[in-house]
Amino acid sequence: QKEVEQDPGPLSVPEGAIVSLNCTYSNSAFQYFMWYRQYSRKGPELLMYTYSSGNKEDGRFTAQVDKSSKYISLFIRDSQPSDSATYLCAMRAIRLDGLTFGKGTHLIIQP
Amino acid sequence: NAGVTQTPKFRILKIGQSMTLQCTQDMNHNYMYWYRQDPGMGLKLIYYSVGAGITDKGEVPNGYNVSRSTTEDFPLRLELAAPSQTSVYFCASSYTSWGEETQYFGPGTRLLVL
Repeated sequence: QKEVEQDPGPLSVPEGAIVSLNCTYSNSAFQYFMWYRQYSRKGPELLMYTYSSGNKEDGRFTAQVDKSSKYISLFIRDSQPSDSATYLCAMRAIRLDGLTFGKGTHLIIQP
Repeated sequence: NAGVTQTPKFRILKIGQSMTLQCTQDMNHNYMYWYRQDPGMGLKLIYYSVGAGITDKGEVPNGYNVSRSTTEDFPLRLELAAPSQTSVYFCASSYTSWGEETQYFGPGTRLLVL
């Protein structure tokens, strides 16, 4: 079983829809959870950072962590064509340790 | 600030050749990382450094070497390049203050080994 599972997609939704992206993980020691956005031929950029369980909201983005289920989610409201990218979940057990990434989900927002 | 810069952007190597991928950050971050990203895959940690003179192996270190003589620079060395090292290489850096932390990634180096 891989440490972090993420559906690679592609996931195609119409503009304005609510998008739900998810990852599951097996290592119960993970306690720092991140979502990165990666445009084609670019480096990843941090979208959301969450420590332990709970929700965090930033504009149109909401991150949820359920440590009991080992499941994390990213919701994008009012999706825009500019949100089309690959979304990578990442996590770590120890602060400032190297990250363990999911494969990434390729998201397409149709105008 | 330029952030994290990487050179070259793209390189073709022949099997058995060697090269150094350069990474520089101007944010005075202590922590630096090297990842590789294969097509359709997430990033995998190769090596990381917690400060000048200190490095440690990540998940996939075989075939690579690193050094950290300054805070700013963290080069990745490939010895005896193999086709399995065809990938996109990302360097990242992070700061050590408490609270929310961020790993800043460079634009990547695309490497093709033929």
